[in-house]
Amino acid sequence: QSALTQPPSASGSPGQSVTISCTGTSSDVGRFNYVSWYQQYPGQAPKLVIYEVTKRPSGVPARFSGSKSGNTASLTVSGLQAEDEAVYYCNSYAASNNLRVFGGGTKLTVL
Amino acid sequence: QVQLQESGPGLVKPSGTLSLTCGVSGASISSSYWWTWVRQPPGKGLEWIGEIYHSGIINYNPSLKSRVTISIDKSKNQFSLKLSSVTAADTAVYFCARESLESYFDYWGRGTLVTVSS
Repeated sequence: QSALTQPPSASGSPGQSVTISCTGTSSDVGRFNYVSWYQQYPGQAPKLVIYEVTKRPSGVPARFSGSKSGNTASLTVSGLQAEDEAVYYCNSYAASNNLRVFGGGTKLTVL
Repeated sequence: QVQLQESGPGLVKPSGTLSLTCGVSGASISSSYWWTWVRQPPGKGLEWIGEIYHSGIINYNPSLKSRVTISIDKSKNQFSLKLSSVTAADTAVYFCARESLESYFDYWGRGTLVTVSS
């Protein structure tokens, strides 16, 4: 099972919006609404920011939103703030072998 | 508050077996969640290793399946990872996490660095 495809980097200025894509296949992202997104700062554990494609856990700012179209899921961060600078990973359930598969990660830079 | 804590040796010799335990507090390991291991080589991305449910159902990453064993100890509210025949490529920070039935990881341990070196 191949990793999901994410752009290695993304950037935006404070206050702008940035969208990070996560491309899979019809066996994972395209088939199930079990896509989640994680934010990771250096030296820390990942933190859940979006689950089941569009849902936000309690405590995650409404600036974070998720969507999906076909085999591609997306994470949008609106009204960028300096604290949003981190690496973001997507994850999906994959039917074959009951896998969970991660994307390669996208480093978000706030300019 | 759910907390997970990894423990185990930080150094393993090549061809040896990596053994880690994840202690769970604030939640019962017999509740309706999967208990998962994820690793992250230095400077690289996340890799899902495998998961276990309290009923004994286990799923492994096919790329590691021949070398991985995940087990659960309900009496101690903990679960464990064993990875055999390790090489330098297995050097990574190993995280344990709780996974919902909808396949998202909502609580994570802080992670523990395991280095494979002689």
